[in-house]
Amino acid sequence: DTEVTQTPKHLVMGMTNKKSLKCEQHMGHRAMYWYKQKAKKPPELMFVYSYEKLSINESVPSRFSPECPNSSLLNLHLHALQPEDSALYLCASSQDAGGFNYGYTFGSGTRLTVV
Amino acid sequence: TQLLEQSPQFLSIQEGENLTVYCNSSSVFSSLQWYRQEPGEGPVLLVTVVTGGEVKKLKRLTFQFGDARKDSSLHITAAQPGDTGLYLCADAGNMLTFGGGTRLMVKP
Repeated sequence: DTEVTQTPKHLVMGMTNKKSLKCEQHMGHRAMYWYKQKAKKPPELMFVYSYEKLSINESVPSRFSPECPNSSLLNLHLHALQPEDSALYLCASSQDAGGFNYGYTFGSGTRLTVV
Repeated sequence: TQLLEQSPQFLSIQEGENLTVYCNSSSVFSSLQWYRQEPGEGPVLLVTVVTGGEVKKLKRLTFQFGDARKDSSLHITAAQPGDTGLYLCADAGNMLTFGGGTRLMVKP
């Protein structure tokens, strides 16, 4: 299995809702990432988990709450989002933090719309 | 803060034409990667270059890494509609900091 699977593919939520994005990989990768991508822009790093511990938080607002229940799963809990948070949310993994030699494997993303 | 600039930002060409896109960094890359992203999908790794002066080929794609490891180019020979997408360079040694991307459209 050489894939990163993200669910759901599309999500529409209100500003008072609580929802979660899920990401799963079974490649034995020990680093997992959340990126946010606005239309016509490159992906921007949000969080890095290395060996199931949060190692980088790129000053992301607390309405985004990551969780890494085990080495294969990564969640992003969403609460009280704003319309400007609408974007494609990408999950990625790499053998270890940095992806220096082997690269990053990305999921197909969750297209989030906040109404 | 490292700045990655890609040029051109947009490129629209006819099938069969050749093209080159560029990636320049304000500082030395530890490891440079090129990705291609299609609409509604995540980026897919094309190549990793590490050594200054390195050249790698992937079918019709040729990647060059500058001697000083601060710039790179991607050349596509005889472009096809399937090459359409967003081409991103990234510094893999910096938690994958991406350049702004080159949006390529190849018309049949």
